Amino acid sequence: GAVVSQHPSWVICKSGTSVKIECRSLDFQATTMFWYRQFPKQSLMLMATSNEGSKATYEQGVEKDKFLINHASLTLSTLTVTSAHPEDSSFYICSAIARMGGGSTDTQYFGPGTRLTVL
Amino acid sequence: GENVEQHPSTLSVQEGDSAVIKCTYSDSASNYFPWYKQELGKRPQLIIDIRSNVGEKKDQRIAVTLNKTAKHFSLHITETQPEDSAVYFCAASIYGQNFVFGPGTRLSVLP
Repeated sequence: GAVVSQHPSWVICKSGTSVKIECRSLDFQATTMFWYRQFPKQSLMLMATSNEGSKATYEQGVEKDKFLINHASLTLSTLTVTSAHPEDSSFYICSAIARMGGGSTDTQYFGPGTRLTVL
Repeated sequence: GENVEQHPSTLSVQEGDSAVIKCTYSDSASNYFPWYKQELGKRPQLIIDIRSNVGEKKDQRIAVTLNKTAKHFSLHITETQPEDSAVYFCAASIYGQNFVFGPGTRLSVLP
């Protein structure tokens, strides 16, 4: 099956630093990757949609200068939280849509998530 | 934009009983409706999905029904087992874009 990895799985950083999270599709090419944020006991909130080779599309209320997304290849997207603050502490999950010949193009596969704690 | 509501927020059932979770959506253009199971601290796992050209889909103990006219879809789990305990999320999407998730249902299956 389609596997999505995410690195790191958890990170603790000081306020003001930047943190980069990687999302990789391991055995398929991902035309589209999504970045979500999930607070404890809450649902997944879509932050942005990332298409390979083009600029990410951010959801309303998400600061594009704070959450930098780069989708450099069909298997890698990165999310950089710039100048992180305690309120940025959350569970960040990526997902990828598989580009499969003749198959569904709307099934998304989730990464394991990254727990960010900003002190 | 799309708005997805989900009920109930919590659900407790006895082992062996059935569980039903309902979602409604607002955008009639939505055509793909997946259901995810998320255990504590883990990634959401797709358990079943349905597309707008189908009214019902079943996979062993899990089934999903879709009523496009009323804009609602439901997850049915039969013969529940303790390992079914988790948070379940419904979502709505248009051709695999703009996924909007419901707020989730915490299901507890009591032995």
